[in-house]
Amino acid sequence: EAGVTQSPTHLIKTRGQQATLRCSPISGHTSVYWYQQALGLGLQFLLWYDEGEERNRGNFPPRFSGRQFPNYSSELNVNALELEDSALYLCASSLRAFTAKNIQYFGAGTRLSVL
Amino acid sequence: GQNIDQPTEMTATEGAIVQINCTYQTSGFNGLFWYQQHAGEAPTFLSYNVLDGLEEKGRFSSFLSRSKGYSYLLLKELQMKDSASYLCAGGTSGNTPLVFGKGTRLSVIA
Repeated sequence: EAGVTQSPTHLIKTRGQQATLRCSPISGHTSVYWYQQALGLGLQFLLWYDEGEERNRGNFPPRFSGRQFPNYSSELNVNALELEDSALYLCASSLRAFTAKNIQYFGAGTRLSVL
Repeated sequence: GQNIDQPTEMTATEGAIVQINCTYQTSGFNGLFWYQQHAGEAPTFLSYNVLDGLEEKGRFSSFLSRSKGYSYLLLKELQMKDSASYLCAGGTSGNTPLVFGKGTRLSVIA
């Protein structure tokens, strides 16, 4: 069974551009989570989608946005890129909405470099 | 806020046992997760605890004390491939995601 897949693996953009990152969850998973992993900061929660709706967002500016499609895949969009947006962006999926017993499974990430 | 604290780095010898500690505010979470992340790879799920006590899975065990806001991951019979970052994460029910610590980078030496 395929795990969580993310594309592209690497993305290089310049400041002010827009970036689109994609994620396909494990088959049967309806929840998708996006995290940012910047150097030295650990995983920071960005967005959570479940059943096509945004359920929660972390402490990030509105230029970080996304959506979830009917097939439960998801896009993360980052507008007006800034140098500090350079990071590894990880997508995770889980069964239904999050509870303490739900395990999140991660993709390999998209490494975004903003020049 | 809900903070998760764990040591930044640890070094241990091949074949030995190592314990990685994780502390958190007791009012925060009702489940603790451990993930392993090799450099440049996805975090992979290791274990979770929702009840106090020890959960054993082969060479890996995880312990939780909810009243003390304390968890640890125990790795036995260390192998070189265990060199990785180990992430402690807290979870709650409802519309909140996992809160991760910054991770503990473990180096296993010969």
